[in-house]
Amino acid sequence: DAGVTQSPTHLIKTRGQQVTLRCSPISGHKSVSWYQQVLGQGPQFIFQYYEKEERGRGNFPDRFSARQFPNYSSELNVNALLLGDSALYLCASSLVLRARGYTFGSGTRLTVV
Amino acid sequence: AQTVTQSQPEMSVQEAETVTLSCTYDTSESDYYLFWYKQPPSRQMILVIRQEAYKQQNATENRFSVNFQKAAKSFSLKISDSQLGDAAMYFCAYRSEGGSEKLVFGKGTKLTVNP
Repeated sequence: DAGVTQSPTHLIKTRGQQVTLRCSPISGHKSVSWYQQVLGQGPQFIFQYYEKEERGRGNFPDRFSARQFPNYSSELNVNALLLGDSALYLCASSLVLRARGYTFGSGTRLTVV
Repeated sequence: AQTVTQSQPEMSVQEAETVTLSCTYDTSESDYYLFWYKQPPSRQMILVIRQEAYKQQNATENRFSVNFQKAAKSFSLKISDSQLGDAAMYFCAYRSEGGSEKLVFGKGTKLTVNP
C-alpha cells in the first residue's frame, strides 16, 4: 500500500510568489494535517482537515491556506512568499480524529530566494 | 499552551549499547498522548512509540521503551541494543485529548550510533 505521498519533493520559489503543495493520504484516511519544519527545529502545526472541513489552525498568517478534496487529498497554499517560509512542509494522515498515531509523508522542501 | 522540551541536542551511543533520550513537557491537562518520532535523513517522520497519559504502565515496542513520569511531566525514550539504523533525529511530541488535535513537538535530539 502506498504511504502518504507529497509533491513536489523540492522546489525553489522567488520572494513574493505563490506556491501550492500537494498531499495524498493513505487510502481510507480522512484526516490530513500540515506541519512546517524549519531547519534545526521540530515541526510546527499549520492546519488539520477532516472530512473536508478545517478542524484546527496553527499560529500562521493568512498567507497560508489549505483545503481538502472529496478524495481526502489536500493542498497547502502559501501566498506572497517570504524568505522565512523556507522549510520542509510535512503532511500527516490518520484514519480518524483522535487517532493513536499519524503517518507522515517525506515532505516538500521549499526554498525561497 | 503546551510546550515540549528536549534538553539534549545531540547524543551518541556505541552499537549494541543502551541510550536514553530525555523529554519534558508542560501542560495543565490530565488527558493527553505522548509520542516519540524518528526522522532519518529521508525526512519522513516515523512513529517509534506512544503513551496514553491515563495508562500507568510504560509503553514498550521491541527495543524501544519509555519511562513516563506523569507527575514530573517527563517522558524519556530508552533504546536498547542500539543499531546503526537507529541513527536519526528523534522528536518528542504531545497531543491533547481535548481541543486541538495538533502535535506539539520538541526541537529534537540527534542520535549518532558508533560502530
